[in-house]
Amino acid sequence: ETGVTQSPTHLIKTRGQQVTLRCSSQSGHNTVSWYQQALGQGPQFIFQYYREEENGRGNFPPRFSGLQFPNYSSELNVNALELDDSALYLCASSRGTGGGGYTFGSGTRLTVV
Amino acid sequence: QKEVEQNSGPLSVPEGAIASLNCTYSDRGSQSFFWYRQYSGKSPELIMFIYSNGDKEDGRFTAQLNKASQYVSLLIRDSQPSDSATYLCAVNAGAGSYQLTFGKGTKLSVIP
Repeated sequence: ETGVTQSPTHLIKTRGQQVTLRCSSQSGHNTVSWYQQALGQGPQFIFQYYREEENGRGNFPPRFSGLQFPNYSSELNVNALELDDSALYLCASSRGTGGGGYTFGSGTRLTVV
Repeated sequence: QKEVEQNSGPLSVPEGAIASLNCTYSDRGSQSFFWYRQYSGKSPELIMFIYSNGDKEDGRFTAQLNKASQYVSLLIRDSQPSDSATYLCAVNAGAGSYQLTFGKGTKLSVIP
């Protein structure tokens, strides 16, 4: 059984650019949640996708958007990058939308300069 | 605004001692509680979850929940240097809820 995989592992972007982060969910899981973890902080919920539709969203602006594909993999897109977007972006997959005992992927470290 | 509070630490304990990590939460309707361990530069790893008042034991780890006091704790017995990490408390509102609210984490150092 494969776990949650994320790509890329590290990324450096310039302020104002756009970025796409990718996540492959664990086998058998149909839900993907995305979290942002700034340095020294706990992860913050961005949004969740279930059956290819956004199922809930945290307090993030519309320039954070996502997709889920028929194979349940997912993308997180961030437009007009700001310096404060520098963080570890974590993807978690689950079977169903509730619960919360998620298994996280290894994350993507995004640095905006 | 749902909040989860943890002491940031660092909490230092000698090897073999009991480490006690504490967490309080603001949403009285919260139903599920989780402890994650995060090593520096790595992603969080789920180590315990608890839904009911009382204690839940798993090996060297014991989670304790008191919903009346809105308090959840994690005890680590016989602490080892490999337990040195940041411990994140997370709270979920329960059935059908999709969002985890995390605390900022407590950094634990186990001194050999």
